Amino acid sequence: AAGVIQSPRHLIKEKRETATLKCYPIPRHDTVYWYQQGPGQDPQFLISFYEKMQSDKGSIPDRFSAQQFSDYHSELNMSSLELGDSALYFCASSEASYNEQFFGPGTRLTVL
Amino acid sequence: AQKVTQAQTEISVVEKEDVTLDCVYETRDTTYYLFWYKQPPSGELVFLIRRNSFDEQNEISGRYSWNFQKSTSSFNFTITASQVVDSAVYFCALSEDNTNAGKSTFGDGTTLTVKP
Repeated sequence: AAGVIQSPRHLIKEKRETATLKCYPIPRHDTVYWYQQGPGQDPQFLISFYEKMQSDKGSIPDRFSAQQFSDYHSELNMSSLELGDSALYFCASSEASYNEQFFGPGTRLTVL
Repeated sequence: AQKVTQAQTEISVVEKEDVTLDCVYETRDTTYYLFWYKQPPSGELVFLIRRNSFDEQNEISGRYSWNFQKSTSSFNFTITASQVVDSAVYFCALSEDNTNAGKSTFGDGTTLTVKP
């Protein structure tokens, strides 16, 4: 069965650079969630989209932005990267009518 | 606001021992969903179980079992006859019923180490 795809799987950036993480949800899933998991921490909700509109917002820094496109894939854009942005970023998708999130494998971002 | 508490930060057992991971949650919703995930050292989140608030039946899947008690807001996870491969971080999570944005709130996780 198709799963959530995230790219890239690993990303190394320098401070103050920008990064774009991509998420391709399971086919027919209309909702996408982004989570950030710092070292030794639990995943923290950043933002979600339903039918290409932002549906909820968590602890997402102003330096980050995200959107969901017409094909339902989503991109998380991160600017002015800081050392503290080094984390595992998970994307999850779901069908709005069935509350179960399917997580992608994550993108490990390292900021040097 | 929803909250998940996993009081056990780390647990260490010897292979073949049984181990229970505790999870206590808080929510104001009457309809919600509870999850357990396993995160091995490789980092991915492995889905283990999903429970909705109306289904208090305990569940067993192989060596895994779950005890859901609404009266105590707990959703505990037991591994029977633990194995070294069970070593991982385990997260309990709660999602409130919101068809448009049912984001999950995770507990802090319990690191389980199973020694040979």
